[in-house]
Amino acid sequence: AQSVTQPDIHITVSEGASLELRCNYSYGATPYLFWYVQSPGQGLQLLLKYFSGDTLVQGIKGFEAEFKRSQSSFNLRKPSVHWSDAAEYFCAVGDENDMRFGAGTRLTVKP
Amino acid sequence: KAGVTQTPRYLIKTRGQQVTLSCSPISGHRSVSWYQQTPGQGLQFLFEYFSETQRNKGNFPGRFSGRQFSNSRSEMNVSTLELGDSALYLCASSSKSRGSSSPYGYTFGSGTRLTVV
Repeated sequence: AQSVTQPDIHITVSEGASLELRCNYSYGATPYLFWYVQSPGQGLQLLLKYFSGDTLVQGIKGFEAEFKRSQSSFNLRKPSVHWSDAAEYFCAVGDENDMRFGAGTRLTVKP
Repeated sequence: KAGVTQTPRYLIKTRGQQVTLSCSPISGHRSVSWYQQTPGQGLQFLFEYFSETQRNKGNFPGRFSGRQFSNSRSEMNVSTLELGDSALYLCASSSKSRGSSSPYGYTFGSGTRLTVV
């Protein structure tokens, strides 16, 4: 069965610092992987997605993620965090027939 | 292009009542999925509809039901509400077509915050 683990419940970084949010997945075949962001009181917004091909995926808002099959990981990165990036981030695996979300990582940005 | 619209945004109901939530997907999207989000359980899949047919269902009791209309708008209904049904209910639409092997990802609505008292 497919599943997603986000090991970090809460991360705090300083504005301007780099960011890496971890995501590990379990999937029987080639995974479809996604990162979503959720601001308070809002729905989820798709940041980026990986289907196949280049393992480094560029997304919106300056985010990128790297698919590493050997580590079953799909970590999200951003070189310089802005205060507006404070939100909850969800990694997901699967497709619209069966998409599983991780528990989320809450990002706090310090001034 | 309008996004996914969920109504109402907020709802307060009493235990034992029933509730109907509505979701209008992005124009042209035929796949609509519903999720329940709670602090303790996170995002849990309720069901997915495509062309008025329920294609997939999560592990929720029969009190949770849904339907999709010919214009792709979807409703979900929860009967005999319990305190534990308090949650943010999210609707997501996708342009993925039947038989397509590539996922497109979801576009989510802002959700309906249901509080059961």
